[in-house]
Amino acid sequence: DTGVSQDPRHKITKRGQNVTFRCDPISEHNRLYWYRQTLGQGPEFLTYFQNEAQLEKSRLLSDRFSAERPKGSFSTLEIQRTEQGDSAMYLCASSPEGVEVEVAFFGQGTRLTVV
Amino acid sequence: AQKITQTQPGMFVQEKEAVTLDCTYDTSDPSYGLFWYKQPSSGEMIFLIYQGSYDQQNATEGRYSLNFQKARKSANLVISASQLGDSAMYFCAMRENPPGGADGLTFGKGTHLIIQP
Repeated sequence: DTGVSQDPRHKITKRGQNVTFRCDPISEHNRLYWYRQTLGQGPEFLTYFQNEAQLEKSRLLSDRFSAERPKGSFSTLEIQRTEQGDSAMYLCASSPEGVEVEVAFFGQGTRLTVV
Repeated sequence: AQKITQTQPGMFVQEKEAVTLDCTYDTSDPSYGLFWYKQPSSGEMIFLIYQGSYDQQNATEGRYSLNFQKARKSANLVISASQLGDSAMYFCAMRENPPGGADGLTFGKGTHLIIQP
């Protein structure tokens, strides 16, 4: 299967700990997005990469959140000093550039629970 | 103001009936795209259908069609001949085209569709 892959699928952490999530996009896709989805809501856009360049990060929720895509392939999302309000599903999506309709394909997400 | 509004938090529909899921949007950008995604309980967002703001005809993909009324800023999803496997959350989303390039999708709150046998 060559879809978007996210790891881990589930993460339980104690408040104050740091967590890191990984996303492997579809191999030929150069655009990569991170979203957060809380219970009962639609996904909320966080940040966006084109290849290794982070083109949009103003929507990151606080300076505790950071994302990287060092070689333009996989990406990581780190949350430092986690809080209970960070509990959510974190979704990654990828899309190709230069096509008539740019459809974002999503992974299955990482569900974070902060206790 | 919300950019994407889905007014139906939940819907129950009999199997084999057609169902319409409502979506209205708000943008001042002349160029935008509208998307519908399905999210089953497994969590993955599955792309269903796309409508561009300049498209003259309503989009169709198999049993899915999009009733696009640009003047009303409405992009309702129609599912014909519903099946039990259609039970899921459905999200309407919009991509605008701000200066500087592409941006992420803005999603509505979703509609929980349950198909009853």
